[in-house]
Amino acid sequence: AQTVTQSQPEMSVQEAETVTLSCTYDTSESDYYLFWYKQPPSRQMILVIRQEAYKQQNATENRFSVNFQKAAKSFSLKISDSQLGDAAMYFCAYRSIGYSGGGADGLTFGKGTHLIIQP
Amino acid sequence: DAGITQSPRYKITETGRQVTLMCHQTWSHSYMFWYRQDLGHGLRLIYYSAAADITDKGEVPDGYVVSRSKTENFPLTLESATRSQTSVYFCASSPVAGTEAFFGQGTRLTVV
Repeated sequence: AQTVTQSQPEMSVQEAETVTLSCTYDTSESDYYLFWYKQPPSRQMILVIRQEAYKQQNATENRFSVNFQKAAKSFSLKISDSQLGDAAMYFCAYRSIGYSGGGADGLTFGKGTHLIIQP
Repeated sequence: DAGITQSPRYKITETGRQVTLMCHQTWSHSYMFWYRQDLGHGLRLIYYSAAADITDKGEVPDGYVVSRSKTENFPLTLESATRSQTSVYFCASSPVAGTEAFFGQGTRLTVV
């Protein structure tokens, strides 16, 4: 079974600065997807960014980018020019490609990192 | 409205009672999921469905029952609620295997 580890329960950053959230995962598969989700106080789960394992290029969405190191099984999220609206819980998630049954087809989440933005 | 909706948003029930959480999606996504979110555990998969009439257990299925007779609906039933089932429950869907999931607003369930 796959596991996802977020080693930083909480991070704090000054507004307008850059912060990096860490995520490592364990899998024996060679092809898969990785995601970062944001959960603000409203509780809604919002997809921030997606990375396909077979793509070497790191995904970027505006101020959000990832550093995907497949050999090291690392998938960190960098937030540039942090804004007050970025304050939230951030979850790293893994999903296998294809249907295999047996409980292996959902997203596997890390425990989350609580990001605080200091004004 | 298009999307994925859960009902109710909040529910308080007593220990031993049966309770059903509803989930409805309008995208005709093949996959649907139920997660529970607890402090210190992140989101854990309870059950999922790859298509109508196909369901599989996730990481924490004990005490829960699901059904999927129609593609758009995926209800989650707690047959005899226990205090340990107090949690926030999320329903999600995805069009195919491997892609991201789209989440409902969540249901906060309290078992007293």
